[in-house]
Amino acid sequence: GQSLEQPSEVTAVEGAIVQINCTYQTSGFYGLSWYQQHDGGAPTFLSYNALDGLEETGRFSSFLSRSDSYGYLLLQELQMKDSASYFCAVRLVSGNTPLVFGKGTRLSVIA
Amino acid sequence: ETGVTQTPRHLVMGMTNKKSLKCEQHLGHNAMYWYKQSAKKPLELMFVYSLEERVENNSVPSRFSPECPNSSHLFLHLHTLQPEDSALYLCASSQYRDTSNSPLHFGNGTRLTVT
Repeated sequence: GQSLEQPSEVTAVEGAIVQINCTYQTSGFYGLSWYQQHDGGAPTFLSYNALDGLEETGRFSSFLSRSDSYGYLLLQELQMKDSASYFCAVRLVSGNTPLVFGKGTRLSVIA
Repeated sequence: ETGVTQTPRHLVMGMTNKKSLKCEQHLGHNAMYWYKQSAKKPLELMFVYSLEERVENNSVPSRFSPECPNSSHLFLHLHTLQPEDSALYLCASSQYRDTSNSPLHFGNGTRLTVT
């Protein structure tokens, strides 16, 4: 079956750098997306990697390596407001499912 | 403000009740979705509508019935639910059904509790 694995929880210090990994088992997909969800809020789109390599958007970067079945989200200069859940997601080549999501990583930023 | 509005934010209903969840998107998107979010589980896709036509039904029990009267509105009609149906129900939209380059825009969800 298709599955994405993420750590369930990560804790990091304000101002530090944290990396949230996403490993997947899937026969084929178009790209890897990341979404952020604050408590009580809507998931919001952060980034999309169609190709291998690093995509940078401000303090957030996302990386994909298809050969390693692996991607990550990198958050730099952590702020308290970055405390949220982060989900990786893929759109599979087969079938009509728009996106398959991981279970999410709960990031807690501490002072 | 995400451009996708869901009502109500919270809903408590008994197993014999009938209720409806409403979603409206103000983004001019062509595709709309219902997702179920339960604790410790991935987001589960329930239904997909593209240009008001249902294109996906992910083996969802018939006690959940979607309706898409136009490209801006999506409903989820609920009847004879079970306690395990308690969850956060998220509506989303995207410009196109191909979400490779068309990210999902989610509403804040309806927190449903079935008693």
